[in-house]
Amino acid sequence: AQTVTQSQPEMSVQEAETVTLSCTYDTSESDYYLFWYKQPPSRQMILVIRQEAYKQQNATENRFSVNFQKAAKSFSLKISDSQLGDAAMYFCASFVDDMRFGAGTRLTVKP
Amino acid sequence: KAGVTQTPRYLIKTRGQQVTLSCSPISGHRSVSWYQQTPGQGLQFLFEYFSETQRNKGNFPGRFSGRQFSNSRSEMNVSTLELGDSALYLCASSLVIRDNEQFFGPGTRLTVL
Repeated sequence: AQTVTQSQPEMSVQEAETVTLSCTYDTSESDYYLFWYKQPPSRQMILVIRQEAYKQQNATENRFSVNFQKAAKSFSLKISDSQLGDAAMYFCASFVDDMRFGAGTRLTVKP
Repeated sequence: KAGVTQTPRYLIKTRGQQVTLSCSPISGHRSVSWYQQTPGQGLQFLFEYFSETQRNKGNFPGRFSGRQFSNSRSEMNVSTLELGDSALYLCASSLVIRDNEQFFGPGTRLTVL
């Protein structure tokens, strides 16, 4: 079975500060990919960052970085220097043969 | 390159009716996956089409079906609509089958009354 769990329904961060969104996953496969997607009010799913499971190095994309702990099956997203435009739903997802999503975390950015 | 397009963007139907949603993938992409997003169940995989054939299927009843045309455009159909089918339906395109690099469309918001 392939499952993704996001235990934080909502998170809040002050503009310019750093926030970390948590995600755990479970899969029996050794070859898989992990993702963070952002879904703003427009509902368009936007890929934030991708991590290949076989790579030990944590992926980074500008202000976004992940902490990938393979043994613990943990995949958290860190957003640095938060901006108002970062406010959205964030979904953690895993891919083996198809994409499985967590329940999402609603991020609010306070000015 | 144009992104993934979905039509219509909004749809209102009544229980018992059927509905067809359309998805045009990015040019050159041959695989289309469909997802249902609801507040209660979250994002769930419906099915994937590649080369006009359904290649992978999620856990949905047979009322949910789809097809893919030779130009890779895909349609999904829901028959005998139920209130619980109200959802945002997202499609995603990728170059090949079971490709983890998926690009999502804006979605079709279906409301069943």
